[in-house]
Amino acid sequence: GAVVSQHPSWVICKSGTSVKIECRSLDFQATTMFWYRQFPKQSLMLMATSNEGSKATYEQGVEKDKFLINHASLTLSTLTVTSAHPEDSSFYICSTTRGLNTEAFFGQGTRLTVV
Amino acid sequence: GQNIDQPTEMTATEGAIVQINCTYQTSGFNGLFWYQQHAGEAPTFLSYNVLDGLEEKGRFSSFLSRSKGYSYLLLKELQMKDSASYLCAVMDSNYQLIWGAGTKLIIKP
Repeated sequence: GAVVSQHPSWVICKSGTSVKIECRSLDFQATTMFWYRQFPKQSLMLMATSNEGSKATYEQGVEKDKFLINHASLTLSTLTVTSAHPEDSSFYICSTTRGLNTEAFFGQGTRLTVV
Repeated sequence: GQNIDQPTEMTATEGAIVQINCTYQTSGFNGLFWYQQHAGEAPTFLSYNVLDGLEEKGRFSSFLSRSKGYSYLLLKELQMKDSASYLCAVMDSNYQLIWGAGTKLIIKP
């Protein structure tokens, strides 16, 4: 069964609105959650790393005020795309691991379309 | 900088064997992963290598040579459902995954 549950699977929103994406760790406590963005025919691009109870670490070029990440509990991390624009349309995926040197478990992904 | 290279696209025939190569240059090494990703879906784990050699798992095998910074994923008895992108990822010294761009595998009947 799924280890990480992500929803919504897809969302269409109007330009200028905000969208929240949730990722829940089902089988274990996820101290760290990775948020990726993937454009068509490209690989995963790490946006930020969130740690439970502390501020997220953003990759270079990712606007922290636009992509708000909250990791308030060991089982839930959220990504909010604020004031979304059409160029934010992408596939967003969360991921976590049970520990070091172990495989990454992915959420189902969220297809965001901003119109 | 850190870099992972894999072919962009490969084509193979149903029932045949295909080898997808991956070369890497990273700051430290804590293992190499292979993932399969179908279009519009999240990646799924295939294999993990941290020591040199071949790891076999059913129709899929993965090989690693740390001295050469090289790995390959071998798929045998190809099936149409194997058509997907295959992502190579290396865990660096900070235990962060560095992802390759992926290899799109097209299986023809």
